[in-house]
Amino acid sequence: DGGITQSPKYLFRKEGQNVTLSCEQNLNHDAMYWYRQDPGQGLRLIYYSQIVNDFQKGDIAEGYSVSREKKESFPLTVTSAQKNPTAFYLCASTSVRFDNSPLHFGNGTRLTVT
Amino acid sequence: GENVEQHPSTLSVQEGDSAVIKCTYSDSASNYFPWYKQELGKRPQLIIDIRSNVGEKKDQRIAVTLNKTAKHFSLHITETQPEDSAVYFCAARNAGGTSYGKLTFGQGTILTVHP
Repeated sequence: DGGITQSPKYLFRKEGQNVTLSCEQNLNHDAMYWYRQDPGQGLRLIYYSQIVNDFQKGDIAEGYSVSREKKESFPLTVTSAQKNPTAFYLCASTSVRFDNSPLHFGNGTRLTVT
Repeated sequence: GENVEQHPSTLSVQEGDSAVIKCTYSDSASNYFPWYKQELGKRPQLIIDIRSNVGEKKDQRIAVTLNKTAKHFSLHITETQPEDSAVYFCAARNAGGTSYGKLTFGQGTILTVHP
């Protein structure tokens, strides 16, 4: 279903620790995205990548880092510099070969930092 | 950059009534406008989209209208059912230039359909 796998579903960390969220897709999509979802604020873009070894900051990139070493994978690291890391994180992908292809989402990772 | 405003934030209707959710966008170059439905604890799923060369699109009980001049678009759900209850998000994307693929979302509307 969807071809995008996010793991784990729930993640708990202590404040001050870095944590990496996994996102893998088998849809052969070129572009991948990370969104953060908070109640009442919709989905906000953290980082996106349109091609391997290249990525761009979204609207709320501070405190986050990404890598795109493989087409299928786009892991997100939440660093200790992110002041409010507790949130629901959604990974998505789309094809850039067709104009305005829809965005496909993974099931999300709920991160809780205490 | 693009800014998308969505209203209302919550919407409560009786089963069988219609529901309308409205969004405005700021970037006149945006040319793709999808709508997503997110049920509790699940991923957002595309329910309908519209491109800037079209004014209206329908798919069974749902329809989307686009007014490029006014830079707003709306989702219409007719004959609502309890299973339509969810959070709905609008979005806008400018597919050209360096912002290709950057989808900007509205804040979401919590729709509740009462039996």
